[in-house]
Amino acid sequence: RKEVEQDPGPFNVPEGATVAFNCTYSNSASQSFFWYRQDCRKEPKLLMSVYSSGNEDGRFTAQLNRASQYISLLIRDSKLSDSATYLCVVMAARSVSGYSTLTFGKGTMLLVSP
Amino acid sequence: DTAVSQTPKYLVTQMGNDKSIKCEQNLGHDTMYWYKQDSKKFLKIMFSYNNKELIINETVPNRFSPKSPDKAHLNLHINSLELGDSAVYFCASSQVPQRFRRVVVQFFGPGTRLTVL
Repeated sequence: RKEVEQDPGPFNVPEGATVAFNCTYSNSASQSFFWYRQDCRKEPKLLMSVYSSGNEDGRFTAQLNRASQYISLLIRDSKLSDSATYLCVVMAARSVSGYSTLTFGKGTMLLVSP
Repeated sequence: DTAVSQTPKYLVTQMGNDKSIKCEQNLGHDTMYWYKQDSKKFLKIMFSYNNKELIINETVPNRFSPKSPDKAHLNLHINSLELGDSAVYFCASSQVPQRFRRVVVQFFGPGTRLTVL
């Protein structure tokens, strides 16, 4: 089982639609969770962290279910500029030193059309 | 002003050659990283340095040798390039290392697209 799994998409939605992405992770000791956004041929950029209680940033809502090892991202009122690949990212310790690394999912592509 | 910069942006080279990629950050961060994003789009950590000290070394062939002359720079030298090394290499930095439950934001450079022929 891959460490972080996402549906690659693409998700094709019209402007104004609501779209949700899901992600599952295999390491139950994972510590922190994030959604990154990557535009075509660009670098990844942090979209938002994901907290256990769920959190919202404008049109974006992230949820975490530790029991099911599942993370979600909901985008409301989609804009053309939301078209990108959304990467689910999980942080876990790699060594007894306590240093952690980020494990990235392959990403879910979103295409928003007029 | 670019926060994390990489040179070159594109690198096309023959198998067997040795090449270097440079990374610089002007954010005053202590920690820097190298990631590889292959053709299947998986982004994987290769190395991490904190204040010039190697702290993370994933399973990477020893043809890859990172060097950090100071905490603002992290270079990647690759010996005897192979076809499978073709990928986009991203440098990143964070204020401090990812450790325990601390939430640390990583800032990525624009990437270096390496093509080995």
